[in-house]
Amino acid sequence: AQKITQTQPGMFVQEKEAVTLDCTYDTSDPSYGLFWYKQPSSGEMIFLIYQGSYDQQNATEGRYSLNFQKARKSANLVISASQLGDSAMYFCAMRESTGRRALTFGSGTRLQVQP
Amino acid sequence: DAEITQSPRHKITETGRQVTLACHQTWNHNNMFWYRQDLGHGLRLIHYSYGVQDTNKGEVSDGYSVSRSNTEDLPLTLESAASSQTSVYFCASSEEGTVEAFFGQGTRLTVV
Repeated sequence: AQKITQTQPGMFVQEKEAVTLDCTYDTSDPSYGLFWYKQPSSGEMIFLIYQGSYDQQNATEGRYSLNFQKARKSANLVISASQLGDSAMYFCAMRESTGRRALTFGSGTRLQVQP
Repeated sequence: DAEITQSPRHKITETGRQVTLACHQTWNHNNMFWYRQDLGHGLRLIHYSYGVQDTNKGEVSDGYSVSRSNTEDLPLTLESAASSQTSVYFCASSEEGTVEAFFGQGTRLTVV
């Protein structure tokens, strides 16, 4: 069963507007971490933000925030004030505390920021 | 500065040949991973290692092998390259108790 689901293959947003990228996950592990990575056209994987399953507050890093809704098993990435440089692939990922220490990735969302 | 490097960055090989992709990290991390990235699938785990002499299979391990003889290196070998193994390969490393996994720059492999 797919553990990370990203249902938006592609999205457009106007420069300076906010955008939400959706991510839902599935796990029976009570302790886990949720990650977002950015992959620009140059190909490298850039870590953006992390949310632990026991964290009380939603994670924020500059213009990035993670809207964590544990009961709904969702971990949406919100980018405020979009910039042209935000155009990239975005991957949601999860790491469970038990078992493997590897990340499990979703299929990604391609975001295009329009001027 | 500590880093993780992959080589080569690009490679073209023929069907049936053995190919080895290198991954070297200077973080001194125990955990190392190999992923492949294909359109529509995100990154999928091939093999991983928790330390020297430890290797484990991921979801898409058929046709691949790894060995871990030291902390710094986890080479990925394609025993007999197939066209279905044309992909972008990423190596990553992480350490227990820390959040972030560090990724290499990726290797684009084409099997013709």
